[in-house]
Amino acid sequence: GAGVSQSPSNKVTEKGKDVELRCDPISGHTALYWYRQSLGQGLEFLIYFQGNSAPDKSGLPSDRFSAERTGGSVSTLTIQRTQQEDSAVYLCASSQQGFGQYFGPGTRLTVT
Amino acid sequence: AQSVAQPEDQVNVAEGNPLTVKCTYSVSGNPYLFWYVQYPNRGLQFLLKYITGDNLVKGSYGFEAEFNKSQTSFHLKKPSALVSDSALYFCAVREGNTDKLIFGTGTRLQVFP
Repeated sequence: GAGVSQSPSNKVTEKGKDVELRCDPISGHTALYWYRQSLGQGLEFLIYFQGNSAPDKSGLPSDRFSAERTGGSVSTLTIQRTQQEDSAVYLCASSQQGFGQYFGPGTRLTVT
Repeated sequence: AQSVAQPEDQVNVAEGNPLTVKCTYSVSGNPYLFWYVQYPNRGLQFLLKYITGDNLVKGSYGFEAEFNKSQTSFHLKKPSALVSDSALYFCAVREGNTDKLIFGTGTRLQVFP
């Protein structure tokens, strides 16, 4: 079946603009995660949705970052008033209980 | 708190030689451990996982990992490296009873022809 998809694949935006990144998880996966990966670096956890539970937002770096998951499926990560340090690859993953996470190809965000 | 450590930033190996990418963990209770690979300009791909059972876990692309409880390690191995194995490798451990994963900092594997 289809894997995790993310859009857009690349996004260039000007400093101060808002951006929205989209993630379509694997159908039936109850959990969805957002990570950030700066050039050549490891993964920085941002936020985690599990079913109908309140999301784990402990990784969001500032209140400019927010995410929602509508209908238990598609998720949107929103970054307001983007800064140059927000430039990174944003990765989305989904999982089914106990089976490990499956990642999308990522969205490369460049803030100029 | 659960954590994983990947002590090597980079591992270099000649094609055809065996390779090992190291990972150690710190968890309370029984660990759920994972390896992921990231090829250039790609997302992460699942390689293998250990939950319970045999200490030697076989995964994709000929990789395997050995769970060692006494040494709290979960090293990734392959008997004969390929140039195409060159990539960034991440070890991860499940956090508590959730599906949230805690990732290591990654090890870059470079296989030379």
